[in-house]
Amino acid sequence: DIQMTQSPSSLPASLGERVTISCRASQGISNNLNWYQQKPDGTIKPLIYYTSNLQSGVPSRFSGSGSGTDYSLTISSLEPEDFAMYYCQQDASFPNTFGAGTKLELK
Amino acid sequence: QVQLKESGPGLVQPSQTLSLTCTVSGFSLTSYSVHWVRQHSGKSLEWMGRMWSDGDTSYNSAFTSRLSISRDTSKSQVFLKMNSLQTEDTGTYYCARGGIPPYYFDYWGQGVMVTVSS
Repeated sequence: DIQMTQSPSSLPASLGERVTISCRASQGISNNLNWYQQKPDGTIKPLIYYTSNLQSGVPSRFSGSGSGTDYSLTISSLEPEDFAMYYCQQDASFPNTFGAGTKLELK
Repeated sequence: QVQLKESGPGLVQPSQTLSLTCTVSGFSLTSYSVHWVRQHSGKSLEWMGRMWSDGDTSYNSAFTSRLSISRDTSKSQVFLKMNSLQTEDTGTYYCARGGIPPYYFDYWGQGVMVTVSS
């Protein structure tokens, strides 16, 4: 199975700050990388699919980039509702696998 | 609108079988895949298996020997059955819709918490 290594595991940040979360795959995944947000109530929603495509309804302050084995999610200016857990997921290889998550918390 | 909702027992005894139902609305099971994903408390997400739109299934090898996914298209329901439960199976179970492609999970249920305990 492809291992997904996410960093950092915890990210203290302030409102309005620009933040980046990284995700590294144990082998190349050809841009088949997705990002999800999980709120404290357990609700999960997609943010970015296929590296850089913004899910419908997701604010434009979210963006994704990367290639090969290294990918990132950037939030350009943090809003209060952005403080949550973030997970990357690869679907290039069976079985699809998730990163361990990044907890974005208010500094 | 697209919705998925998981249902099932909150408590299961060790060695017993877990049965969960994912009831969907707003789309057809014959057009989209439905996946099951598990999350241990405070931990990451683990893909368990999927029901393809054509009725075929795929399973994570970590669960293959004890996991079964089926469906009833007339009721828009997908079922998960997993036997020989252990305490390590405690967690929240989600169903999610898969794209056609792209294959990411574009809609998720709210999740159902399952505790394995005697």
